[in-house]
Amino acid sequence: GNSVTQMEGPVTLSEEAFLTINCTYTATGYPSLFWYVQYPGEGLQLLLKATKADDKGSNKGFEATYRKETTSFHLEKGSVQVSDSAVYFCALRDSGAGSYQLTFGKGTKLSVIP
Amino acid sequence: GAVVSQHPSRVICKSGTSVKIECRSLDFQATTMFWYRQFPKKSLMLMATSNEGSKATYEQGVEKDKFLINHASLTLSTLTVTSAHPEDSSFYICSASDRVGNLLHSYTQYFGPGTRLTVL
Repeated sequence: GNSVTQMEGPVTLSEEAFLTINCTYTATGYPSLFWYVQYPGEGLQLLLKATKADDKGSNKGFEATYRKETTSFHLEKGSVQVSDSAVYFCALRDSGAGSYQLTFGKGTKLSVIP
Repeated sequence: GAVVSQHPSRVICKSGTSVKIECRSLDFQATTMFWYRQFPKKSLMLMATSNEGSKATYEQGVEKDKFLINHASLTLSTLTVTSAHPEDSSFYICSASDRVGNLLHSYTQYFGPGTRLTVL
C-alpha cells in the first residue's frame, strides 16, 4: 500500500535559517505529491504540489522537487520566518483512475524563534 | 477560490448527546467530500469518503452508526457524531474535491478549518 514517511519533529530554527523537512514515499504507481501546512488551530492549507517526476512545486518561498529515483519530496526554504511556525504534512495521491484519496505523513512541527 | 467552511468551529457537548458538523464548499461544486479526524500530535485519519447523492464509504474501524455522514448536495456534507462520548473528543476536518471532466489533476482536496469537539 501507499505510505508517507516524514522526519520526526519538532524542528526548532532561528529566524532566517535554512529549512529542510525530509519526506519519502512508497506508492504502487506514479503518485502526485503534496505539502500541506497547518497553522495553530486551523485546518490544512495546500502549500505546494508536484504531479510528475522532476517537477518542482513552489509557493511562499518554499519548494520541493519530485524525485522519483529516491522516492522523495523534501521541503526546503532558504530563510524561515517566525510566521512559518506550523505543522507541515507531506502527502501523496495515487495515480489510479478516479483516485482521489490522500495518504498523509505524520506531520512535522516547525517552530521558528526570533 | 476553492474555499471550504466548517461550522461550528468549536463545540462542547455532554456525553450521550449528538453533534452535527457542517462542511460547505463556498465557491465550487464538491462532487466528493472527505471527513478526517486528527488526534493530538498525529496525522489525519481518513474516516470516510462521500460522493454527492450516495452513501458514504467508511474506512476500516470507523463505526458507521456512530459517525453519520450525509452529502445531500454538491455544496454541503454533514457529519453527525451520535451519542458522543469523551473519547470522541477530537479535531474533525473535512475536505472537498471538485472534478473537471475526468482529469486526474483536478482532484485537488481543499480543506476546511476544522471543528474542535469536546465531549464532557
